[in-house]
Amino acid sequence: DVKVTQSSRYLVKRTGEKVFLECVQDMDHENMFWYRQDPGLGLRLIYFSYDVKMKEKGDIPEGYSVSREKKERFSLILESASTNQTSMYLCASSLLAGAGNEQFFGPGTRLTVL
Amino acid sequence: QKEVEQNSGPLSVPEGAIASLNCTYSDRGSQSFFWYRQYSGKSPELIMSIYSNGDKEDGRFTAQLNKASQYVSLLIRDSQPSDSATYLCAVSTKNYGGSQGNLIFGKGTKLSVKP
Repeated sequence: DVKVTQSSRYLVKRTGEKVFLECVQDMDHENMFWYRQDPGLGLRLIYFSYDVKMKEKGDIPEGYSVSREKKERFSLILESASTNQTSMYLCASSLLAGAGNEQFFGPGTRLTVL
Repeated sequence: QKEVEQNSGPLSVPEGAIASLNCTYSDRGSQSFFWYRQYSGKSPELIMSIYSNGDKEDGRFTAQLNKASQYVSLLIRDSQPSDSATYLCAVSTKNYGGSQGNLIFGKGTKLSVKP
């Protein structure tokens, strides 16, 4: 089974702090994704990566950056956390682009910024 | 703007009934279609995928795809209270490289199965 893990289930940070969210997958997947999920807004793509050291902006990249130094690990960074970044953050991975590109999700990190 | 539309619900069905969940999408180039189930406070879990027109059955679940109408549906037979969750429809879309690597998600339909 695909396993995607995230570093924390719950996180509370202060406004202005730098926040690191880590995601690790153990199935040698090429593609990794970061989403946030908010009530009424659904899943929104923040950043994605199709290869090591490669990153592409999603629909809402402002205020975030990412790092992919190893194939299995994809980190989301909030450079200076703000209260409007309080959300559920979900990491996903998929094997290949193209048909059969189902994404598998980690358990999520519920981040609260005070 | 590429979109995936779902009725937000809640859709309420009695135990043992068939639940029918629907989804429409705007990108005619989409090739892969998925249904995810998400329990409250949990992450989405893949339950069905479908790539060609017609029906695909897996246990109590049947996915239906009509690319001409840009319509995907999920039928849940013999609905159980444990099926109560939000169901997300996801549709593939091209990324910058031209491959169908990304997914667009609908906002989900909340299903409630009453005992």
